[in-house]
Amino acid sequence: DAKTTQPTSMDCAEGRAANLPCNHSTISGNEYVYWYRQIHSQGPQYIIHGLKNNETNEMASLIITEDRKSSTLILPHATLRDTAVYYCIVREHNAGNMLTFGGGTRLMVKP
Amino acid sequence: NAGVTQTPKFQVLKTGQSMTLQCAQDMNHNSMYWYRQDPGMGLRLIYYSASEGTTDKGEVPNGYNVSRLNKREFSLRLESAAPSQTSVYFCASSEKLTAHYGYTFGSGTRLTVV
Repeated sequence: DAKTTQPTSMDCAEGRAANLPCNHSTISGNEYVYWYRQIHSQGPQYIIHGLKNNETNEMASLIITEDRKSSTLILPHATLRDTAVYYCIVREHNAGNMLTFGGGTRLMVKP
Repeated sequence: NAGVTQTPKFQVLKTGQSMTLQCAQDMNHNSMYWYRQDPGMGLRLIYYSASEGTTDKGEVPNGYNVSRLNKREFSLRLESAAPSQTSVYFCASSEKLTAHYGYTFGSGTRLTVV
């Protein structure tokens, strides 16, 4: 699996958009970008995933650059409950390829 | 909508003691996983079960054994606990190994070995 690089921590004001970057410059053509988050003391929670196109769901938007070497997770209106560690994971979609979690970005949403 | 249930939530063991962590899912998922998370670190895969009747080693299997009891249940056993196994243990499940829509995680078991 390609490695990912994320900032260790970020702050965001409540109600503003939170933009979390992820670099994955060695991503291969059949690897997907996944985002999970882990709220303090809880198990990780799936947010969104994508291959090439931008994706949006009820939780977030995922913007993937045209060369696929980086992506940005956008929480459009961050709330205090979005304070968590956010993990960007690239993973080939085939059997035997498990989710591998790195250090992630600790997002602090402030009032 | 229980999802993935882990028991116990907290446990303190003495070095050398054994114990089994239990995990059950009610989503009819085929694949199940055990991860550990040390303080300030990401999750590391211990063992996984692609389907009922199969288990395979992950990144850090030493000191652990697993049993896929049936489709619902996947247990993790520490035969002789060591302080290095102090960690938070998460169980997860997915529809299958190649599940796009991700894993569902339990709330974790916090284990301290003294």
